[in-house]
Amino acid sequence: EVQLVESGGVVVQPGGSLRLSCAASGFNFGGSAMHWVRQAPGKGLEWVSLITSDGVHKFYADSVKGRFTISRDNTKNSLYVEMNSLRSEDTAFYYCAKGGVGFTAYLLDYWGQGTLVTVSS
Amino acid sequence: EIVLTQSPDFQSVTPKETVTITCRASQSIGNDLQWYQQKPGQSPKLLIKHAFQSFSGVPSRFSGRGSGTDFTLTISSLEAEDAATYYCQQMRSLPLTFGGGTTVEIK
Repeated sequence: EVQLVESGGVVVQPGGSLRLSCAASGFNFGGSAMHWVRQAPGKGLEWVSLITSDGVHKFYADSVKGRFTISRDNTKNSLYVEMNSLRSEDTAFYYCAKGGVGFTAYLLDYWGQGTLVTVSS
Repeated sequence: EIVLTQSPDFQSVTPKETVTITCRASQSIGNDLQWYQQKPGQSPKLLIKHAFQSFSGVPSRFSGRGSGTDFTLTISSLEAEDAATYYCQQMRSLPLTFGGGTTVEIK
């Protein structure tokens, strides 16, 4: 069974930093692209970032480019996102999601339960 | 960036009715479209991939159609457990984008 468990969401002040983690199990983590997607409370879904299976290529939404850094540790089956210069508009549930295999890497076939990041003074 | 426009935003239906949700892309995306279901308090779940292929374990009452710029998700014989918000998502190009969502309420 595929499981994705996010952690690290807390209340942080504007301008602060935070690292979220996602522990993966039940599938070939090292063979899968991984994504972060966020959802502001009561709002729709927004794709945040993608990292390829080997960790070499990383892509970001314009709204977080230069502030967020995605990474992974295939030896620990874990995905991360380092979030800096946080703004109130970054307040959201953050989901990690598994990408499909090969050319379907942009297909989000399994999602974690999410972790809430609140940016507030 | 590819913009996805869903309609309607909200639909209230009785059990056993058929619901159709539309997703229109701002440019042609072939079959590179997914549908997700998100129930209150839960994370999204994949229903339909590549416009019409049902994902593993999804009930047969959920079906997808379309290609290019116009897509539909149909829920036949609606059940109470189908109360949720439904999102389309394109995988043609980055940034990945989602439609605004359609909330289905059961009367």
